[in-house]
Order: sequence, then C-alpha cells, then structure tokens
Amino acid sequence: DAKTTQPPSMDCAEGRAANLPCNHSTISGNEYVYWYRQIHSQGPQYIIHGLKNNETNEMASLIITEDRKSSTLILPHATLRDTAVYYCIVRGYYGGSQGNLIFGKGTKLSVKP
Amino acid sequence: SAVISQKPSRDICQRGTSLTIQCQVDSQVTMMFWYRQQPGQSLTLIATANQGSEATYESGFVIDKFPISRPNLTFSTLTVSNMSPEDSSIYLCSVGGLYGYTFGSGTRLTVV
Repeated sequence: DAKTTQPPSMDCAEGRAANLPCNHSTISGNEYVYWYRQIHSQGPQYIIHGLKNNETNEMASLIITEDRKSSTLILPHATLRDTAVYYCIVRGYYGGSQGNLIFGKGTKLSVKP
Repeated sequence: SAVISQKPSRDICQRGTSLTIQCQVDSQVTMMFWYRQQPGQSLTLIATANQGSEATYESGFVIDKFPISRPNLTFSTLTVSNMSPEDSSIYLCSVGGLYGYTFGSGTRLTVV
C-alpha cells in the first residue's frame, strides 16, 4: 500500500498559488519525498524531491514539516497547463540505488481560468 | 535525465493475441520498470527488469502473462500475452536516475 495520503481533488484559480498537501506520517529517516505529476494521457513527470530541507526548482517548491510527517508542493503561479494528477511518493534513496516507485491515487488538480 | 522511446504508442488488439511493447533508453541503465495504469486508476508496478537476469514480478503479475526481455542496458520489451478486455490499460516503462525517474509516453492498449 502507498505510504502517503493526499486529497483526491483540488481546484485552483489561474495565476494563483496551488498548494498540494501530502501526509506521510510513517516516513522513516532515510526516505525521501518525491512529487510527480501526470498530465492526461502522458507518462508521469518528475517535479521535485527532498529529504528534510525545503527545496525549490524552476517548477515548484517543496515544504517539508520539521517532523517530516507531511509536506506541501507549491506551484507559485498555476497555469491551465498545470492541470494534472499530482503524486506524492516516499521512498528510500541510497545514492545510486534505483528502486521502484509506488504510486498512490494522487490529487487531481484542476486549474480554472 | 534519460530520454525514453516507447512504442507502439497505442494499439487495438483482438482477444487471445499478444502484443510486445518496446522501450528504448538513450543511456545505459541498470534497472528498468514496467507499470500498468488501468482506466481511471493510478500506476501499478508490474515488474523490474535487470539486464542479464530474470525480471522480478510484483504480486498479482506472472511471467507467463507478462514476459519481459532485457537484452542489454538500453532496451527492454514487455509482452502482454493471451489478451483479454481486462488487459486494456496504459503500459509504461520507466528508468531511475540520480534525481528522479523518467517515464516513457506509454502504450495505450485496447483489447476487443
């Protein structure tokens, strides 16, 4: 079973920030939080990942709580093209190890004009 | 990140037949992963394919139904055998990388 809990759906107005929450209360010390998204009919796309510090890249920001039991993916200025299913995934990362990803149901984000 | 070419992109097949899906990566990778995404559902891992050894299948998936080949470090195939309408899904291959996983664009299979 997936180790994460996400709301099934969210709406966001175009141009506003989209904040997608994820609970991972059973995360262990060596597990990372990964975020992927899947736009309709395409393969999942990597967005960002982190261990305990907040992370930012050109696509999004990842805020991880101090106890690491939850996180929030932030899309700072959502566009219509950000409409997708967003998956929060936790897995261990051991420097070169390439284990599989386990997908939960994700959050369907709808960005509206 | 790696670039994956997956084909066919879609196919409509008769029940009882088999379809082989190909996945080509532009760099050498140790592990390749095959996923299934049934209509309206999330992705489910079918198996992990290592070069030079038999694939490792997840619970509920068997080699006779989903044989996998991994002849080298850049290529893998997944065959969906003796198809039934319940096999209608999107099938995706994936490879890991230093900072994330890359997925192919998927094969949309419809069994009639």
